[in-house]
Amino acid sequence: GQQVMQIPQYQHVQEGEDFTTYCNSSTTLSNIQWYKQRPGGHPVFLIQLVKSGEVKKQKRLTFQFGEAKKNSSLHITATQTTDVGTYFCAGRGYQKVTFGTGTKLQVIP
Amino acid sequence: EAGVTQFPSHSVIEKGQTVTLRCDPISGHDNLYWYRRVMGKEIKFLLHFVKESKQDESGMPNNRFLAERTGGTYSTLKVQPAELEDSGVYFCASSQVGVYRVGTGELFFGEGSRLTVL
Repeated sequence: GQQVMQIPQYQHVQEGEDFTTYCNSSTTLSNIQWYKQRPGGHPVFLIQLVKSGEVKKQKRLTFQFGEAKKNSSLHITATQTTDVGTYFCAGRGYQKVTFGTGTKLQVIP
Repeated sequence: EAGVTQFPSHSVIEKGQTVTLRCDPISGHDNLYWYRRVMGKEIKFLLHFVKESKQDESGMPNNRFLAERTGGTYSTLKVQPAELEDSGVYFCASSQVGVYRVGTGELFFGEGSRLTVL
């Protein structure tokens, strides 16, 4: 079945440093979504990428979808303490959404 | 507009007992998903309903788990009998069918039901 892996599993950064998480799928995806889960909370949708090679930005967050539509990345510039949480990519096949293993981000003030 | 609601928020039961979790999706959302997150690890897919039909139940761990969605509205997930390894947070999510909301096919998650099996 479809598997979606993320690296790194954990990341500690000093506030102001950049952060990147990478997502890789075992199969080609129709699109990819990114979610953020704050400690004790539930996953909240951030963005969806559909086109091969697509790049989208949301303020300090930059999302990229690979040319082969099998990988994606999320880059945060100048992290803030509010960025703390676990970031999940989610690969969308036909109707099914498979979540990646997640990257837990800790920001040290 | 009400979001996805789940009940109970936390349940503590003993091994061998039965627990039923409930999810009320956003009104009008035909797609309903159950996921489980164990020990802060990955969000693992359990099953997917389209209206009242099970579209995909490949993630259900075994026959101790039973999900229903009568009438295509709310859904229940029953664990009987519960085992220690069933502990975790069970998330329900819903989305609209075939129609992208503001250009997305996002999943709307509930707050989750934390299950602790002792």
